[in-house]
Amino acid sequence: DTGVSQNPRHKITKRGQNVTFRCDPISEHNRLYWYRQTLGQGPEFLTYFQNEAQLEKSRLLSDRFSAERPKGSFSTLEIQRTEQGDSAMYLCASSLAGRGSSYEQYFGPGTRLTVT
Amino acid sequence: GDSVTQMEGPVTLSEEAFLTINCTYTATGYPSPFWYVQYPGEGLQLLLKATKADDKGSNKGFEATYRKETTSFHLEKGSVQVSDSAVYFCALRGGTSGSRLTFGEGTQLTVNP
Repeated sequence: DTGVSQNPRHKITKRGQNVTFRCDPISEHNRLYWYRQTLGQGPEFLTYFQNEAQLEKSRLLSDRFSAERPKGSFSTLEIQRTEQGDSAMYLCASSLAGRGSSYEQYFGPGTRLTVT
Repeated sequence: GDSVTQMEGPVTLSEEAFLTINCTYTATGYPSPFWYVQYPGEGLQLLLKATKADDKGSNKGFEATYRKETTSFHLEKGSVQVSDSAVYFCALRGGTSGSRLTFGEGTQLTVNP
């Protein structure tokens, strides 16, 4: 069990550019979640997938944000036309859902985005 | 929607002191509470959890009891160590939030030798 991994760990971009982050969940986990955490705050839910299906999106996820999990394994989160307000830590988590499962969410180290 | 309110920080204690971090929530349905910890430079780690009313979760000397009547899940430790210095987050799954976690704002704990 190698845990949840995220790449890159840090990203600095200029306002208006597009960025894409990747998350690799724990291998047997069928659910994958994205959260955003700003300094001094708790994480806020963005969206989650069960296998390849995106089942829920927060209203925080504006039209500039899109997430995919094409084969039910890794996921990508893209932000188009970045704004300074997008600067945050983007966290990925995964869990195993199903009969007898604990549904516990395990978090990756995060990708810190800075928009200049 | 669901909400979680955590004791405001930062909290500074001396080694071996008693720790309490309060957490209360509002939710409908049957939520499950969690405590996560974030050590400096590291990701969020699950510390402990409870699945039903009056359950006590425990790990690494930390405990929390899920009190449905007071909608609380306060974190306690009898004797803190310097290595416990971290940010602690109370979180809730379920209720109106479905499978997502709703987090409190976090409490920064510093333990001095």
